[in-house]
Amino acid sequence: KNEVEQSPQNLTAQEGEFITINCSYSVGISALHWLQQHPGGGIVSLFMLSSGKKKHGRLIATINIQEKHSSLHITASHPRDSAVYICAVKRSQGNLIFGKGTKLSVKP
Amino acid sequence: SQTIHQWPATLVQPVGSPLSLECTVEGTSNPNLYWYRQAAGRGLQLLFYSVGIGQISSEVPQNLSASRPQDRQFILSSKKLLLSDSGFYLCAWSGGPLGQPQHFGDGTRLSIL
Repeated sequence: KNEVEQSPQNLTAQEGEFITINCSYSVGISALHWLQQHPGGGIVSLFMLSSGKKKHGRLIATINIQEKHSSLHITASHPRDSAVYICAVKRSQGNLIFGKGTKLSVKP
Repeated sequence: SQTIHQWPATLVQPVGSPLSLECTVEGTSNPNLYWYRQAAGRGLQLLFYSVGIGQISSEVPQNLSASRPQDRQFILSSKKLLLSDSGFYLCAWSGGPLGQPQHFGDGTRLSIL
């Protein structure tokens, strides 16, 4: 079993829909990252969080440390949100462990 | 502002040929630098990281090596490429605690023929 699991693997939504991407992990962590990988491959860091919730524009990230679970929400989705969203956890000792990503496609 | 440059964007190489991918960071000093690989259908895997000039740590044994000849330059190399070296390679840097890259390059898509 992978230490970081994301669901769903693929997600297709209509423009305007509320989107949720989930990340579960099985190791002790000091922080969790959400990354966005564009079709060309470039990666942008969206959030780094260790507790609670963070919001940036239409993006919201939450984490529940007790349940070892994080969610990334996108409100009022837009076709430009189409990308692969990657969850990564920073182990208490060691480097980042990455999930395989969730491919999101938002249709106009 | 800080920027990270990685090149080339795409590369097609024959098996057995050498490799050199370069990454440079601007606008910061003494960054932690990272090389990642993303194989098809798999998550990102850390290959190397560096906390300073000449200091390289390898996460997985492989056919690749890394060097940091200058503070803001990180190079990924191979003497003889294997088919299994195909993938998408990303350079990243962080200014904070080691292990949490915040800024990524645009990546190099490497195809081995």
